[in-house]
Amino acid sequence: EAQVTQNPRYLITVTGKKLTVTCSQNMNHEYMSWYRQDPGLGLRQIYYSMNVEVTDKGDVPEGYKVSRKEKRNFPLILESPSPNQTSLYFCASSPNLPGHLNTGELFFGEGSRLTVL
Amino acid sequence: EDQVTQSPEALRLQEGESSSLNCSYTVSGLRGLFWYRQDPGKGPEFLFTLYSAGEEKEKERLKATLTKKESFLHITAPKPEDSATYLCAVRGSGTYKYIFGTGTRLKVLA
Repeated sequence: EAQVTQNPRYLITVTGKKLTVTCSQNMNHEYMSWYRQDPGLGLRQIYYSMNVEVTDKGDVPEGYKVSRKEKRNFPLILESPSPNQTSLYFCASSPNLPGHLNTGELFFGEGSRLTVL
Repeated sequence: EDQVTQSPEALRLQEGESSSLNCSYTVSGLRGLFWYRQDPGKGPEFLFTLYSAGEEKEKERLKATLTKKESFLHITAPKPEDSATYLCAVRGSGTYKYIFGTGTRLKVLA
């Protein structure tokens, strides 16, 4: 089954304790990205990657790191989490680089709810 | 600055009562306007992409339209299973960023 898989789905942690949220897609997509969703603010893009070893900042990258060493994986790293990073996180992938004339459809994972105490 | 505003924030309809959701946008060189549906506890699910003013797309009871400043998602004779949050997003030229609106929460009552 074609899917984007995120882990963990739920996590409660404490300030300063490094954590990684994994994202894996089995559709051979070039484009992958991370979003956070907060009430009243909607989905905001954190980082995106156009292909292996190519990453760039979205609108809210502060406090986050990413890496793209393999095409299928795009982990989100919080080196020193803070309470303002409590949020619902979504990973998404797309089958084509958005620069081409295509649907630009994003395939989203099920989300990871993170609470930082 | 690229921006997306959706209205209303929430909408309650009786089953069969048609209505429209609005998505107003400002973007430098539109490279796509996207509609997604999001159910509680789930990731957004793609519905449509519109590229240029005058374009329309349909899927079952949903029809999306686009002008130079806004997009509408028309829902004809909705059913309770259409209840969800509908998200609008845009992508501008020269960027791979997607800008999302805050969504419209739709509730269709039987």
